[in-house]
Amino acid sequence: GAVVSQHPSWVICKSGTSVKIECRSLDFQATTMFWYRQFPKQSLMLMATSNEGSKATYEQGVEKDKFLINHASLTLSTLTVTSAHPEDSSFYICSAPVGSGASELFFGEGSRLTVL
Amino acid sequence: GIQVEQSPPDLILQEGANSTLRCNFSDSVNNLQWFHQNPWGQLINLFYIPSGTKQNGRLSATTVATERYSLLYISSSQTTDSGVYFCAGSPNFGNEKLTFGTGTRLTIIP
Repeated sequence: GAVVSQHPSWVICKSGTSVKIECRSLDFQATTMFWYRQFPKQSLMLMATSNEGSKATYEQGVEKDKFLINHASLTLSTLTVTSAHPEDSSFYICSAPVGSGASELFFGEGSRLTVL
Repeated sequence: GIQVEQSPPDLILQEGANSTLRCNFSDSVNNLQWFHQNPWGQLINLFYIPSGTKQNGRLSATTVATERYSLLYISSSQTTDSGVYFCAGSPNFGNEKLTFGTGTRLTIIP
């Protein structure tokens, strides 16, 4: 299947700092990527849709100034958590659709963020 | 948006047992997938199955689109099957913004 790679796998940072997470499609091009967040023992919640060459679209309740998304190429989307606080600690997972029409989503390995 | 319910929420089985996991949707879906989340958090694609039946080894899935549900069957369970199983769907053809279900946590005991 298609490969989506995420980096870093885990990161610990101090409160107030910013953290960047990268999501790459390794063997296909992705004009769209999706960023999800998962709190412990909960389901995945869609945060935003990353669009290559244009602004990301955010789900209701997600602060676009807190979670900056950049999709500068057909194989890379980045999520930057700005001025991180302990409540931002979570598991962040990116995904990309493969195929035409209704497409199958493939997910990265996820990035576990801990804000101290 | 659509609501996705999964049952049962938790399932504990002896190795070798069979199981059926269910996913109900509040509205019609044209994109439906099943995933297995392993203990490290990785989501493994199991099936892309907006309708019909598919099989892959010990796993199979059936989606009855007209009745808005999907079933995942696991036969001869192994300890490596443990983890959380999610179904996810979206209502619009060509829309990959999947809404995830609440998940079924499966524990296989040796």
